[in-house]
Amino acid sequence: AQSVAQPEDQVNVAEGNPLTVKCTYSVSGNPYLFWYVQYPNRGLQFLLKYITGDNLVKGSYGFEAEFNKSQTSFHLKKPSALVSDSALYFCAVRDSNFNKFYFGSGTKLNVKP
Amino acid sequence: EAGVTQFPSHSVIEKGQTVTLRCDPISGHDNLYWYRRVMGKEIKFLLHFVKESKQDESGMPNNRFLAERTGGTYSTLKVQPAELEDSGVYFCASSQLLNTEAFFGQGTRLTVV
Repeated sequence: AQSVAQPEDQVNVAEGNPLTVKCTYSVSGNPYLFWYVQYPNRGLQFLLKYITGDNLVKGSYGFEAEFNKSQTSFHLKKPSALVSDSALYFCAVRDSNFNKFYFGSGTKLNVKP
Repeated sequence: EAGVTQFPSHSVIEKGQTVTLRCDPISGHDNLYWYRRVMGKEIKFLLHFVKESKQDESGMPNNRFLAERTGGTYSTLKVQPAELEDSGVYFCASSQLLNTEAFFGQGTRLTVV
């Protein structure tokens, strides 16, 4: 069965510190992996994706994520957090055999000044 | 280029009433998805259109939900009659190809009282 797990409901980090938002997945075929961000009263915005190639992918706003096949993980990272990064982050996987996205439950990121 | 737009942004209806949500995808995107997030849980798949055809409707909760995409352009999702557990945020997304990211609308927050 296809699924995504985001083990942390909330992540708190001080501005300027590195941040990590965790994501693990389970798919039957090759995974296509995505991160989306939702700011208050806004829709989901695409951040980055892994389809194939280099395991480290870079995306919008200085975010990056590392695909780890052996650990079935796709953690979102940023070297230096900004207060404006505070939002709700969703990890998603699309199985290459199917057309739909499977989402995690979301992680609320709080960046304190 | 306009993004995915959804109407209305909010809807409050009484149990037993009917509500119709509308989604206008990005022009030229054949793939259109409906998703729902209930009570802060994960974003769950409802159904997927390819042009005007329903490719996958495995996520539709029951026969009170009816989705259409006449002419392969905009889509509507009707809930009739609405129940309390239908409350949540309904997202629409579209994509051009299956191995790319999907673009999401801002969502419709439905409250059934």
